[in-house]
Amino acid sequence: DTGVSQNPRHKITKRGQNVTFRCDPISEHNRLYWYRQTLGQGPEFLTYFQNEAQLEKSRLLSDRFSAERPKGSFSTLEIQRTEQGDSAMYLCASSVIEGRSYNEQFFGPGTRLTVL
Amino acid sequence: AQKVTQAQTEISVVEKEDVTLDCVYETRDTTYYLFWYKQPPSGELVFLIRRNSFDEQNEISGRYSWNFQKSTSSFNFTITASQVVDSAVYFCALNEGYQLIWGAGTKLIIKP
Repeated sequence: DTGVSQNPRHKITKRGQNVTFRCDPISEHNRLYWYRQTLGQGPEFLTYFQNEAQLEKSRLLSDRFSAERPKGSFSTLEIQRTEQGDSAMYLCASSVIEGRSYNEQFFGPGTRLTVL
Repeated sequence: AQKVTQAQTEISVVEKEDVTLDCVYETRDTTYYLFWYKQPPSGELVFLIRRNSFDEQNEISGRYSWNFQKSTSSFNFTITASQVVDSAVYFCALNEGYQLIWGAGTKLIIKP
Protein backbone atom coordinates (compact mmCIF):
# COMPACT_ATOMS: atom_id res chain seq x y z
CA ASP A 1 0.00 0.00 0.00
CA THR A 2 1.60 3.28 -1.09
CA GLY A 3 -0.98 5.69 0.36
CA VAL A 4 -0.75 7.88 3.45
CA SER A 5 -0.97 5.86 6.65
CA GLN A 6 -1.81 7.02 10.15
CA ASN A 7 -1.50 5.32 13.52
CA PRO A 8 -3.32 4.69 15.68
CA ARG A 9 -6.70 4.77 13.98
CA HIS A 10 -8.50 5.34 17.25
CA LYS A 11 -7.33 6.73 20.57
CA ILE A 12 -9.32 7.09 23.77
CA THR A 13 -7.65 8.98 26.57
CA LYS A 14 -8.49 10.70 29.80
CA ARG A 15 -8.41 14.44 30.14
CA GLY A 16 -4.96 15.67 31.07
CA GLN A 17 -3.06 12.85 29.41
CA ASN A 18 -0.62 13.32 26.54
CA VAL A 19 -1.18 11.61 23.20
CA THR A 20 0.99 11.20 20.11
CA PHE A 21 -0.12 10.35 16.58
CA ARG A 22 2.04 9.22 13.69
CA CYS A 23 1.71 9.86 9.97
CA ASP A 24 3.65 8.18 7.18
CA PRO A 25 3.23 10.12 3.93
CA ILE A 26 3.51 8.83 0.40
CA SER A 27 7.22 8.16 0.01
CA GLU A 28 8.11 10.70 -2.67
CA HIS A 29 5.98 13.50 -1.18
CA ASN A 30 7.94 16.29 0.46
CA ARG A 31 4.99 18.27 1.79
CA LEU A 32 3.05 17.05 4.82
CA TYR A 33 0.00 18.59 6.43
CA TRP A 34 -1.98 18.07 9.62
CA TYR A 35 -5.67 18.92 9.86
CA ARG A 36 -8.35 18.49 12.47
CA GLN A 37 -11.95 17.69 11.57
CA THR A 38 -14.96 17.73 13.85
CA LEU A 39 -18.36 16.30 13.04
CA GLY A 40 -20.20 18.17 10.32
CA GLN A 41 -17.30 20.44 9.49
CA GLY A 42 -14.61 20.63 6.88
CA PRO A 43 -11.01 19.97 7.86
CA GLU A 44 -9.24 22.73 9.78
CA PHE A 45 -5.58 23.37 8.99
CA LEU A 46 -3.15 22.83 11.87
CA THR A 47 0.37 22.82 10.45
CA TYR A 48 2.49 22.12 7.39
CA PHE A 49 5.98 20.77 6.69
CA GLN A 50 8.15 20.97 3.64
CA ASN A 51 10.70 18.21 4.10
CA GLU A 52 11.74 18.51 7.77
CA ALA A 53 10.96 22.22 8.10
CA GLN A 54 7.71 23.28 9.77
CA LEU A 55 6.80 26.25 7.57
CA GLU A 56 3.37 27.21 8.78
CA LYS A 57 1.33 26.77 11.92
CA SER A 58 -2.27 27.82 12.45
CA ARG A 59 -2.85 30.71 14.82
CA LEU A 60 -5.61 28.61 16.27
CA LEU A 61 -3.15 25.94 17.34
CA SER A 62 -2.71 25.87 21.09
CA ASP A 63 0.81 25.61 22.52
CA ARG A 64 -0.27 22.21 23.82
CA PHE A 65 0.07 20.96 20.25
CA SER A 66 3.44 20.21 18.72
CA ALA A 67 4.43 18.50 15.51
CA GLU A 68 7.71 17.17 14.19
CA ARG A 69 8.97 15.65 11.01
CA PRO A 70 12.48 14.38 11.64
CA LYS A 71 14.50 13.68 8.53
CA GLY A 72 11.61 14.75 6.36
CA SER A 73 9.92 11.36 6.44
CA PHE A 74 7.18 10.45 8.92
CA SER A 75 5.61 13.04 11.19
CA THR A 76 4.26 13.01 14.73
CA LEU A 77 1.62 15.21 16.28
CA GLU A 78 1.60 15.44 20.05
CA ILE A 79 -1.14 16.91 22.21
CA GLN A 80 -0.20 17.60 25.79
CA ARG A 81 -2.68 17.84 28.67
CA THR A 82 -5.59 16.84 26.49
CA GLU A 83 -8.94 18.53 26.93
CA GLN A 84 -12.40 17.32 25.95
CA GLY A 85 -12.45 19.95 23.21
CA ASP A 86 -9.54 18.17 21.54
CA SER A 87 -11.84 15.27 20.62
CA ALA A 88 -11.84 15.17 16.82
CA MET A 89 -10.51 13.33 13.79
CA TYR A 90 -6.87 14.23 13.11
CA LEU A 91 -6.00 13.99 9.46
CA CYS A 92 -2.64 13.86 7.78
CA ALA A 93 -2.09 14.62 4.10
CA SER A 94 0.89 14.77 1.79
CA SER A 95 1.66 16.27 -1.58
CA VAL A 96 4.53 16.63 -3.99
CA ILE A 97 6.19 19.82 -5.16
CA GLU A 98 6.19 20.35 -8.93
CA GLY A 99 7.49 23.72 -10.02
CA ARG A 100 5.28 26.56 -8.85
CA SER A 101 1.98 24.71 -9.01
CA TYR A 102 -0.05 23.76 -5.98
CA ASN A 103 -0.69 20.07 -6.13
CA GLU A 104 -3.49 18.08 -4.63
CA GLN A 105 -3.11 16.62 -1.17
CA PHE A 106 -3.65 12.95 -0.50
CA PHE A 107 -5.16 12.10 2.83
CA GLY A 108 -4.69 9.28 5.28
CA PRO A 109 -7.56 7.53 7.07
CA GLY A 110 -7.22 9.74 10.14
CA THR A 111 -6.85 9.17 13.86
CA ARG A 112 -10.04 9.57 15.85
CA LEU A 113 -9.30 11.00 19.30
CA THR A 114 -11.81 10.79 22.13
CA VAL A 115 -10.97 12.59 25.35
CA LEU A 116 -13.03 11.46 28.32
CA ALA B 1 -9.03 36.20 3.70
CA GLN B 2 -10.08 33.32 1.52
CA LYS B 3 -13.48 31.78 2.04
CA VAL B 4 -15.38 28.84 0.58
CA THR B 5 -19.15 28.56 0.82
CA GLN B 6 -21.16 25.42 0.18
CA ALA B 7 -24.67 26.60 0.82
CA GLN B 8 -26.30 23.19 0.40
CA THR B 9 -25.97 21.36 3.69
CA GLU B 10 -27.70 18.20 2.51
CA ILE B 11 -29.16 17.00 -0.79
CA SER B 12 -31.26 13.90 -1.24
CA VAL B 13 -32.11 12.48 -4.66
CA VAL B 14 -33.31 9.22 -6.11
CA GLU B 15 -30.80 7.07 -7.94
CA LYS B 16 -30.22 7.98 -11.60
CA GLU B 17 -31.14 11.62 -11.08
CA ASP B 18 -28.59 14.30 -11.92
CA VAL B 19 -27.41 16.45 -9.04
CA THR B 20 -25.30 19.63 -8.83
CA LEU B 21 -23.31 20.64 -5.79
CA ASP B 22 -22.57 24.35 -5.51
CA CYS B 23 -19.33 25.96 -4.41
CA VAL B 24 -18.71 29.70 -4.19
CA TYR B 25 -15.35 31.10 -3.19
CA GLU B 26 -13.73 34.40 -2.24
CA THR B 27 -10.11 35.26 -2.83
CA ARG B 28 -7.95 38.28 -3.62
CA ASP B 29 -5.26 36.14 -5.22
CA THR B 30 -4.94 36.19 -8.99
CA THR B 31 -3.46 32.71 -9.04
CA TYR B 32 -5.22 30.11 -6.99
CA TYR B 33 -6.31 26.49 -7.02
CA LEU B 34 -9.68 24.91 -6.34
CA PHE B 35 -10.36 21.33 -5.34
CA TRP B 36 -13.19 18.89 -4.77
CA TYR B 37 -12.89 16.01 -2.35
CA LYS B 38 -15.28 13.19 -1.48
CA GLN B 39 -15.62 11.82 2.05
CA PRO B 40 -17.59 8.55 2.04
CA PRO B 41 -19.00 7.06 5.25
CA SER B 42 -15.68 5.27 5.79
CA GLY B 43 -14.20 8.71 6.49
CA GLU B 44 -11.16 8.94 4.22
CA LEU B 45 -11.00 12.05 2.03
CA VAL B 46 -10.67 11.18 -1.63
CA PHE B 47 -9.29 13.68 -4.13
CA LEU B 48 -11.54 14.29 -7.15
CA ILE B 49 -10.22 17.27 -9.07
CA ARG B 50 -7.84 20.23 -9.02
CA ARG B 51 -8.41 23.35 -11.08
CA ASN B 52 -6.14 26.39 -11.38
CA SER B 53 -7.48 29.89 -11.86
CA PHE B 54 -6.13 30.21 -15.39
CA ASP B 55 -7.98 27.20 -16.72
CA GLU B 56 -11.70 27.86 -17.09
CA GLN B 57 -12.42 24.90 -19.27
CA ASN B 58 -15.10 22.64 -17.93
CA GLU B 59 -13.98 19.13 -17.17
CA ILE B 60 -15.77 15.83 -17.48
CA SER B 61 -14.68 12.55 -15.97
CA GLY B 62 -17.16 9.78 -16.52
CA ARG B 63 -20.37 10.74 -14.70
CA TYR B 64 -18.65 13.67 -12.98
CA SER B 65 -18.35 17.16 -14.45
CA TRP B 66 -17.15 20.47 -13.10
CA ASN B 67 -18.16 23.99 -14.12
CA PHE B 68 -15.63 26.68 -13.19
CA GLN B 69 -16.77 30.30 -13.68
CA LYS B 70 -14.42 33.04 -12.50
CA SER B 71 -17.02 35.72 -13.24
CA THR B 72 -19.26 34.35 -10.50
CA SER B 73 -16.48 32.84 -8.36
CA SER B 74 -18.11 29.45 -8.57
CA PHE B 75 -16.83 25.93 -9.07
CA ASN B 76 -19.84 23.64 -9.24
CA PHE B 77 -19.83 19.86 -9.41
CA THR B 78 -22.42 17.78 -11.23
CA ILE B 79 -23.00 14.06 -10.96
CA THR B 80 -24.96 12.62 -13.85
CA ALA B 81 -27.09 9.52 -13.38
CA SER B 82 -26.30 9.32 -9.68
CA GLN B 83 -25.68 5.99 -7.98
CA VAL B 84 -26.01 4.86 -4.39
CA VAL B 85 -22.21 4.66 -4.15
CA ASP B 86 -22.07 8.42 -4.73
CA SER B 87 -23.54 8.94 -1.26
CA ALA B 88 -20.93 10.89 0.70
CA VAL B 89 -20.01 14.32 1.96
CA TYR B 90 -18.42 16.44 -0.75
CA PHE B 91 -16.03 19.25 0.07
CA CYS B 92 -14.87 22.15 -2.04
CA ALA B 93 -11.52 23.73 -1.08
CA LEU B 94 -9.35 26.69 -2.08
CA ASN B 95 -5.66 27.16 -1.42
CA GLU B 96 -4.48 30.04 0.76
CA GLY B 97 -0.73 29.95 0.56
CA TYR B 98 0.23 26.40 1.39
CA GLN B 99 -2.92 25.47 3.27
CA LEU B 100 -6.37 24.59 2.04
CA ILE B 101 -9.47 26.50 3.09
CA TRP B 102 -12.47 24.18 3.12
CA GLY B 103 -16.17 24.62 2.74
CA ALA B 104 -18.48 23.03 5.30
CA GLY B 105 -19.35 20.24 2.89
CA THR B 106 -22.54 19.02 1.25
CA LYS B 107 -23.95 15.70 2.37
CA LEU B 108 -25.30 13.86 -0.66
CA ILE B 109 -27.79 11.05 -0.13
CA ILE B 110 -28.68 8.88 -3.09
CA LYS B 111 -31.75 6.76 -2.46
CA PRO B 112 -32.19 3.48 -4.35
